[in-house]
Amino acid sequence: NAGVTQTPKFQVLKTGQSMTLQCAQDMNHEYMSWYRQDPGMGLRLIHYSVGAGITDQGEVPNGYNVSRSTTEDFPLRLLSAAPSQTSVYFCASSPGLAGRHNEQFFGPGTRLTVL
Amino acid sequence: GENVEQHPSTLSVQEGDSAVIKCTYSDSASNYFPWYKQELGKGPQLIIDIRSNVGEKKDQRIAVTLNKTAKHFSLHITETQPEDSAVYFCARGKTYKYIFGTGTRLKVLA
Repeated sequence: NAGVTQTPKFQVLKTGQSMTLQCAQDMNHEYMSWYRQDPGMGLRLIHYSVGAGITDQGEVPNGYNVSRSTTEDFPLRLLSAAPSQTSVYFCASSPGLAGRHNEQFFGPGTRLTVL
Repeated sequence: GENVEQHPSTLSVQEGDSAVIKCTYSDSASNYFPWYKQELGKGPQLIIDIRSNVGEKKDQRIAVTLNKTAKHFSLHITETQPEDSAVYFCARGKTYKYIFGTGTRLKVLA
């Protein structure tokens, strides 16, 4: 199993550009999530999904869209990038919830810079 | 509110000594408390977790204690080794959402 994979590893955007951060997992996990990590602020939840076709907002959803058309993939879209979105982005997945929290497996991250 | 307070932000210990990191929360509905270790350039990795119906859990040199009344939980690492040097994050979980602490940079001095 490859686990959780993220592409690209690095990305530089200009203000106003759009892009999609890709995330995929091959563990058949129901739960997937996106976080951003900024210095001194830990990880903050952007959006999450509890299964295909189901998404919801986390702590900091503004400026980001997500969709979950398959169990494996959970892309994060930036519609109009802003310098405040410069950060390291992590995708994570977790086994079937069945009403219980479980270990989240994190991808290697995408470092995004918005100029 | 929703935040998790984590202390200290940095911690230096001599190899072989113990390290303790503490987190506090205010949402009494939280029912899951994981601890993650993040090495430079990598994603966080779970090292231990505890659920709200348990007071303490141990896995070799690592232990976590939970005090639900006081709303705090702590990570204890005994017999620290240089490879324990990393950033450690606590988190709380409630209904599919996870709130992370701001992290503790642990340095184990040889």
